[in-house]
Order: sequence, then C-alpha cells, then structure tokens
Amino acid sequence: DSGVTQTPKHLITATGQRVTLRCSPRSGDLSVYWYQQSLDQGLQFLIQYYNGEERAKGNILERFSAQQFPDLHSELNLSSLELGDSALYFCASSVGLAGRRGGEQYFGPGTRLTVT
Amino acid sequence: GQNIDQPTEMTATEGAIVQINCTYQTSGFNGLFWYQQHAGEAPTFLSYNVLDGLEEKGRFSSFLSRSKGYSYLLLKELQMKDSASYLCAVRFMDSNYQLIWGAGTKLIIKP
Repeated sequence: DSGVTQTPKHLITATGQRVTLRCSPRSGDLSVYWYQQSLDQGLQFLIQYYNGEERAKGNILERFSAQQFPDLHSELNLSSLELGDSALYFCASSVGLAGRRGGEQYFGPGTRLTVT
Repeated sequence: GQNIDQPTEMTATEGAIVQINCTYQTSGFNGLFWYQQHAGEAPTFLSYNVLDGLEEKGRFSSFLSRSKGYSYLLLKELQMKDSASYLCAVRFMDSNYQLIWGAGTKLIIKP
C-alpha cells in the first residue's frame, strides 16, 4: 500500500459525459501527478500540482482539467468523453518538487475508466 | 525531445538472472528511476540512481553510467512473481524536472 488513495476504482460512462476522479496523496506529500495509461501503452504524464498550484503540464487534452485543493487532495475532470479516453488513470505523489533529491513518486491504485 | 529506450519484451527462466537495459540522452540528466508494474496495477518504486555505479537492494540492483546515458536493472534468483513490466524513467533538468518514461519492458518468467 503506497498510501495514495484514488476513487472510484472503476467508472463506466457514455461518450459525451463528464467524470471526476479523486486522489489523496500520501501524508506529507505536496506534489500530485496525474497519468493516463491506455491498454498495453506506457504512462502518459498529464499534469502536476505542487501545494495547490499547477506546476507542469504534459499531454493533457483541453477537455481535461485538474486542481489541487487546500487539503492537498486533487481531482481530475474529464469532459466530453470519447471512446479513446478509456484507460487507467493514475495519481502519484511525492514529497516535494520533482527536482529535489530522490523525488520518487508513489502511485495510487488507479481508476479504470471505460467509455462506452 | 528526450527518448527513453528499453526493450519491449524479455523472457527468462525461474531462478536465473536477467538484465533490463535503459538508454537515454545525457544532456540535462538529473536522475533515473526504475519501477515495477504488474498488469492492471500501479507502478511501484524499485530504485533511484543519480551517481555512477551500482545500487543493490536484495535481489534487485540498478546500475548507472551517466557518461554513456545507460542504466540497467538486474534481477537475480528470478521468481514467477517477477513477471511484470519494468519501467525506466529519467528526470531531466530541461523538462522542468519532470520524469520522462520509457514504454516499459515486459518480463516473462518461465518455469
């Protein structure tokens, strides 16, 4: 158990809909990262927040947005869903900014999103 | 952009040793991570290298050569539970210190 929690574990929804994925980082971690992993594909970095502020953006679509709240939990919002958005969405957390010593990320169990 | 190269798939025998290689561009290098990911599960952190040399953790060791842009993960005394994907991720200063992930090496262990 990494200490990172994600809800829900599974989500099935229809095209065009909007969903929200939730993540709580490990106690004491200030950075939260979101990743997308499609079937048999590598991890695609979406976005990072550090202590409530957006820190870095990866290959995140305009239909997707995220935020980190004062209690450090984060939400990833996916809208106008398409079939191709079906994937595992992982949240990870780390103590500080990515450039610090170590900086290893700890991953939550993921949310499996199925768009039908 | 930076590319992280690792073999797509490897096969090894239970009880044996396997070495999974990872290569990257050296410019801006700031650290290398190895993760294990079982199918459908979250990646779990295995090791971190930032200086040249070998880091040993039980049956797993990771090696880094910064000048060659090369790392390997060495798995000894292979067990069936080691069947998983192994992800190499590199942190670069000029990508805002974000991790650039390799596509992963799927390791198949045969009895």
